[in-house]
This record gives sequence, structure tokens and C-alpha cells, in this order.
Amino acid sequence: GQQVMQIPQYQHVQEGEDFTTYCNSSTTLSNIQWYKQRPGGHPVFLIQLVKSGEVKKQKRLTFQFGEAKKNSSLHITATQTTDVGTYFCAGRVGNQFYFGTGTSLTVIP
Amino acid sequence: DVKVTQSSRYLVKRTGEKVFLECVQDMDHENMFWYRQDPGLGLRLIYFSYDVKMKEKGDIPEGYSVSREKKERFSLILESASTNQTSMYLCASRRAQNTGELFFGEGSRLTVL
Repeated sequence: GQQVMQIPQYQHVQEGEDFTTYCNSSTTLSNIQWYKQRPGGHPVFLIQLVKSGEVKKQKRLTFQFGEAKKNSSLHITATQTTDVGTYFCAGRVGNQFYFGTGTSLTVIP
Repeated sequence: DVKVTQSSRYLVKRTGEKVFLECVQDMDHENMFWYRQDPGLGLRLIYFSYDVKMKEKGDIPEGYSVSREKKERFSLILESASTNQTSMYLCASRRAQNTGELFFGEGSRLTVL
């Protein structure tokens, strides 16, 4: 069954507002990856987090890995229309990566 | 740049037909994967392969089989397509086991009537 849950499923924001998506796992993750899928496109790798409590930034995107390595978040500051898409986390459990259900972000100009 | 190419972007098949989905990667990656993507369910792993002629079941292998005769090619086979196999199918590759990012193909949208 699904091992990595992601919320919310959908998020509509006004351009310039912030956005956050959360991933939660019932088991400890070895690492976690984040992907972005533009409408009509395929998932594209954004980042990988490995260490407990790790925080990484990519311009307006901030990624966090929880202290217990069971949760992670992606925060976008001051969204732009180019941020539109679905964001997936993928957590490693054992030898497998399990994808979250994704958060679809709509940015209203 | 890594390129993962899926043979068909759109397919329409009838119930009971045999369906082949082909995937080729050009970066000598060892690992290859087949996922299906459905609204609200995210990406679910069907089968994967860590090496030539090797295959392992993922989370939802029922109704599917795979073939990896060459390192660069990973095929997904639906022996007898059913309507509940209507979905987007995504192929991905990765350099080596449990390391690094997945590189995805453009996807194959299969409709089974």
C-alpha cells in the first residue's frame, strides 16, 4: 500500500503568495527526493535530501527533511506562474522509492 | 543530457489486445522502471530492472510483464489489456541502484476500450 502520503492534493494561490506541500511517511526514510511535473509533461528531479533535519534552498524553493526522517516539506516563496505544476516527493524505504500522491499547484495571475 | 524515449505518446487499444510499450535510454543507465500515473494516486511502481535480463515486481505488477534483453531497452507488456489499465505509463532510468535521480520519459497515455 501507499507508504508516503502527501498533502494537500490541490492548492490554488494568488501569484505572489507562498505555497507549501508536505510529505509524511509511516516509516523512516533513508532519503527523500522531490520532483516537479509541468502540465502535460513528465516528472523532473528537483533535489535530494539525505540527512536528518537537512534544509536546502533553490532560489525561492526551500526543502526540509524532518529530524525523524519521516516527513519532508517543499516551500515556495512568492509564487510565480512558472511554478504551476504537480510536485511529488519520493521517499526511499529499503531498496525502493515510494512516490507521494502529489500536490497540484495552480497560480492565479 | 539523458534522454529516455517512449515509443508511443498515445495508444488506443481494445479489451483483450496485447500491448507493448517500449522505452529506450541513451545514457548507459543500469536501472530502469515502469510506473503508472493515475489522478489522486501518484506514481505507482509496476516493475523495475537493475540489470539486463533482470526484473523485479513493484507494487502493482498484476496484469503486466516486462522484458529487458538489452541494457538500454525496457519493455512493458500487457498480455490482455483491460479497461482498468487505462492510464499514463511512465518509464524512468537511473544510473545505478538506489543512487541519484530518476530520469523520466514523456509518458505513454493508454486508453483501453
